[in-house]
Amino acid sequence: QKEVEQDPGPLSVPEGAIVSLNCTYSNSAFQYFMWYRQYSRKGPELLMYTYSSGNKEDGRFTAQVDKSSKYISLFIRDSQPSDSATYLCAMRKGLTGANNLFFGTGTRLTVIP
Amino acid sequence: SQTIHQWPATLVQPVGSPLSLECTVEGTSNPNLYWYRQAAGRGLQLLFYSVGIGQISSEVPQNLSASRPQDRQFILSSKKLLLSDSGFYLCAGNRDTEAFFGQGTRLTVV
Repeated sequence: QKEVEQDPGPLSVPEGAIVSLNCTYSNSAFQYFMWYRQYSRKGPELLMYTYSSGNKEDGRFTAQVDKSSKYISLFIRDSQPSDSATYLCAMRKGLTGANNLFFGTGTRLTVIP
Repeated sequence: SQTIHQWPATLVQPVGSPLSLECTVEGTSNPNLYWYRQAAGRGLQLLFYSVGIGQISSEVPQNLSASRPQDRQFILSSKKLLLSDSGFYLCAGNRDTEAFFGQGTRLTVV
């Protein structure tokens, strides 16, 4: 079983829709959770960063962590064509040490004008 | 802010030729550095990581090697490229918190 599972999609939605992207994980030691956005042929850029359970909102984006279910989500409100990208979830167990960052495979999102 | 510079953006190389991809870091010191390969639908595959100068850990046995000659420099190399080495290569770094990425190199081996 992979440490982090993410549906690769692709996911197509009309402009203005609410998008829900999700990841599940198996290791309860994960404490830090991140979402990255990656445009075609570019490197991933950090979108949201949360610690432990709860919600975090930034503009049209909301990150949600449910540690009891080992489930994280990214919601995009009023989706725009510029949101079309691959979204990767990532998580880590602690702040120190190397090789403790685990990524999902990414979900490819297309927002249709 | 922390920035990764990675070059070149695209590269076409014949089979059997050598490879050298370089990445440099700005805005932090003593970062952990990583080389990933990303295949469509398969996510990020960790190839190498380094916690300091001269310290390299390999995750996947393969035709590639990595070196860290300076604190903020990380190099991915190959002596003889294979067709299967084609892919999108990403350099990344982190220190304490989330990872930050370079813009990637699209390598095509022909």
